Amino acid sequence: ETGVTQSPTHLIKTRGQQVTLRCSSQSGHNTVSWYQQALGQGPQFIFQYYREEENGRGNFPPRFSGLQFPNYSSELNVNALELDDSALYLCASSPDTGELFFGEGSRLTVL
Amino acid sequence: GEDVEQSLFLSVREGDSSVINCTYTDSSSTYLYWYKQEPGAGLQLLTYIFSNMDMKQDQRLTVLLNKKDKHLSLRIADTQTGDSAIYFCAETSWQGYKLSFGAGTTVTVRA
Repeated sequence: ETGVTQSPTHLIKTRGQQVTLRCSSQSGHNTVSWYQQALGQGPQFIFQYYREEENGRGNFPPRFSGLQFPNYSSELNVNALELDDSALYLCASSPDTGELFFGEGSRLTVL
Repeated sequence: GEDVEQSLFLSVREGDSSVINCTYTDSSSTYLYWYKQEPGAGLQLLTYIFSNMDMKQDQRLTVLLNKKDKHLSLRIADTQTGDSAIYFCAETSWQGYKLSFGAGTTVTVRA
């Protein structure tokens, strides 16, 4: 039990739609990161937020955006969904000590 | 670059030792991690090693780091059926804001 919960656990969208994935982390975890894990691959870093500001971004287009809220929850938004966006999306939070605690993920299928 | 490479599959008999290997290219890597992912689940941190160490032991797990060759290994002693999973090697640089993962090694434990 990592204390990181993600919702929804599974969802299906069609190409061109928009999706919002949510993450709730432990109190005191000021950093939240999002990763995309395509089938059969390792997770790929999307971006990281620290105290509600983006402070690092991977090689993902601007249609991937995020928000972090003062209550230690966060969102990942993806606009104009493409088939290749089908993946498991993982949220990870960390206290200032740096250890990452991962949630179980949200599995997105784009048809 | 920040490539992390792992062998894709490992089959081991119950009770034997498993050794999972990983190579990385980023010479500025500061922390190296091993994560475990069971089917349908998120990532579980197994252990990590700081780049100025060459070995770390934690119960059945032994991590060896050869920084000169950029080679990391995870040895699991007395492998059990519950160890069947995908194991990911990951590294982070001094910036610390993202993890770069390998593609994962699927470990199958046979009776």
